[in-house]
Amino acid sequence: NAGVTQTPKFQVLKTGQSMTLQCAQDMNHNSMYWYRQDPGMGLRLIYYSASEGTTDKGEVPNGYNVSRLNKREFSLRLESAAPSQTSVYFCASSMGGVRNQPQHFGDGTRLSIL
Amino acid sequence: KQEVTQIPAALSVPEGENLVLNCSFTDSAIYNLQWFRQDPGKGLTSLLLIQSSQREQTSGRLNASLDKSSGRSTLYIAASQPGDSATYLCAVRLNYGGSQGNLIFGKGTKLSVKP
Repeated sequence: NAGVTQTPKFQVLKTGQSMTLQCAQDMNHNSMYWYRQDPGMGLRLIYYSASEGTTDKGEVPNGYNVSRLNKREFSLRLESAAPSQTSVYFCASSMGGVRNQPQHFGDGTRLSIL
Repeated sequence: KQEVTQIPAALSVPEGENLVLNCSFTDSAIYNLQWFRQDPGKGLTSLLLIQSSQREQTSGRLNASLDKSSGRSTLYIAASQPGDSATYLCAVRLNYGGSQGNLIFGKGTKLSVKP
């Protein structure tokens, strides 16, 4: 069972470069999420998509854009990377609609911005 | 603003010991609370989800309780094993803010179980 798959697993960028983080789930989930995890800060929600065709800002959306390409895929784009965006990025998905459904996470993308 | 706190930040116990991890939250208007496990370099694995109307959930050696009025949850691990070593995170789902709400995470408790 693949679950939630994130690519790439690691990436190093220079300040000002752009990049798209990819996420795909095979559980037929409606809702998908992007989080970042920083030491001492815990996980924070960047953007989420309640269903195909909709996206909403989370706690820390500045500097990011998202695209819900279809029901399976939800991508996160950094248009002009900054050192403050060095972090571990996690994608998650859930059934949605019914709130008492757990979120399932990918293994993360470790991103370093020099 | 909802804040989630986990104490202690780190815990080391000998194998076989029963242990309790604590999670507290400031706003009792939650929809549910979820406990996760995170292994180094990995994503989060959902362990237990407690709905706001429930008092506890059990899965194998794990038991999670919820006292919404006091803003606290505990994760009880019985007969700990070295394989339980990981970081344990709790997260609350808000009861407002749209149909999806957000998960607000604590910073985790890093558990080490020594053989």
